[in-house]
Amino acid sequence: LAKTTQPISMDSYEGQEVNITCSHNNIATNDYITWYQQFPSQGPRFIIQGYKTKVTNEVASLFIPADRKSSTLSLPRVSLSDTAVYYCLVGDMIGGFKTIFGAGTRLFVKA
Amino acid sequence: NAGVTQTPKFQVLKTGQSMTLQCAQDMNHNSMYWYRQDPGMGLRLIYYSASEGTTDKGEVPNGYNVSRLNKREFSLRLESAAPSQTSVYFCASRDFGLSDYEQYFGPGTRLTVT
Repeated sequence: LAKTTQPISMDSYEGQEVNITCSHNNIATNDYITWYQQFPSQGPRFIIQGYKTKVTNEVASLFIPADRKSSTLSLPRVSLSDTAVYYCLVGDMIGGFKTIFGAGTRLFVKA
Repeated sequence: NAGVTQTPKFQVLKTGQSMTLQCAQDMNHNSMYWYRQDPGMGLRLIYYSASEGTTDKGEVPNGYNVSRLNKREFSLRLESAAPSQTSVYFCASRDFGLSDYEQYFGPGTRLTVT
């Protein structure tokens, strides 16, 4: 399983765009990149997943460069309710049932 | 459609007591997982079940046992609780499919061992 490295914490202000980068130098050919969000006292919630280039949904965008050794989660115009912990996971889609969550990035959005 | 449910929501045990945490999902998912999350930390995988009838160890299996009772249910048992097992326990499920990594999590069980 590829190890991931993320910043421990980030601060932002309401209305700003936030970019959280995850490093995964040992990513394998079959690995996908997935991001989760966790609020206090709740289980994590899936945000977005990608394999290469750019993926966008109604919540976020995920940018993956050609070498796939890193990825960036982009949250447009954050609000106070985006204050949470964000986890980057890298996993094998083919038979990859074992999943490893790192420590995550604590995002604090200020008014 | 309740998703993933866990019981109990809270539990206090004395050292040496045993208990079983229950998890059920109604999404017909093949894979199920048990994680623990200590205060201020990320989630750590205890055990997982890729499909009905199979279970495998995760990162921190010592002190725990699991049973995949059927496709819907995956229980976690603490045979002799220790204070180090004080944590929040999350169950999750996932459908097995290529290009699909989304796990659905339950609300968690907050366990305190005194």
